[in-house]
Amino acid sequence: GAVVSQHPSRVICKSGTSVKIECRSLDFQATTMFWYRQFPKQSLMLMATSNEGSKATYEQGVEKDKFLINHASLTLSTLTVTSAHPEDSSFYICSASEISGNTIYFGEGSWLTVV
Amino acid sequence: AQSVTQPDIHITVSEGASLELRCNYSYGATPYLFWYVQSPGQGLQLLLKYFSGDTLVQGIKGFEAEFKRSQSSFNLRKPSVHWSDAAEYFCAVDSNKAAGNKLTFGGGTRVLVKP
Repeated sequence: GAVVSQHPSRVICKSGTSVKIECRSLDFQATTMFWYRQFPKQSLMLMATSNEGSKATYEQGVEKDKFLINHASLTLSTLTVTSAHPEDSSFYICSASEISGNTIYFGEGSWLTVV
Repeated sequence: AQSVTQPDIHITVSEGASLELRCNYSYGATPYLFWYVQSPGQGLQLLLKYFSGDTLVQGIKGFEAEFKRSQSSFNLRKPSVHWSDAAEYFCAVDSNKAAGNKLTFGGGTRVLVKP
């Protein structure tokens, strides 16, 4: 079946540095991918909609200059957390849908810890 | 405002007992409805979904959910809980239906299973 893969699954970075998280659709094409953020013991909150070949659409309250999203191909979206701070530590998870379908596939998620 | 509500933050149930998790939504029209399960530190697994048709939906792992338009509810049930069902459960809606499946999640219900 269709799979969405995220990499890395866990990353630790120093405060002030940037870190990139990849979201790949392994056997289908996705013009749209979504990035969510989940703090411990909380629900998933949509951060942004990643659109292939165009700018991402950010949800209210999400800093687009801090969370850079690039969707350069139909199978890859990247989320870069710039100038990371400890409060950015969270679980980041992406989702994607096949162009022709209504099935949503979630990645395994990426744990970011900023020290 | 549009919202998804899971009234129960925690539910404790004995193994073998029945389980019901509540979900209410507030949208103008019936959205697409989903239930996901998340084990600690893991990604999301789709249990079932409702788009239209039969209001009683069967899912994986013995779960089912019933859509009730009059109550704006989509409650999840399982007749006999297994210890492996201990996890966090999220109700989600796709109110747009044609936007590549952007989801809004409820706050989640943590299920604890007593032996």
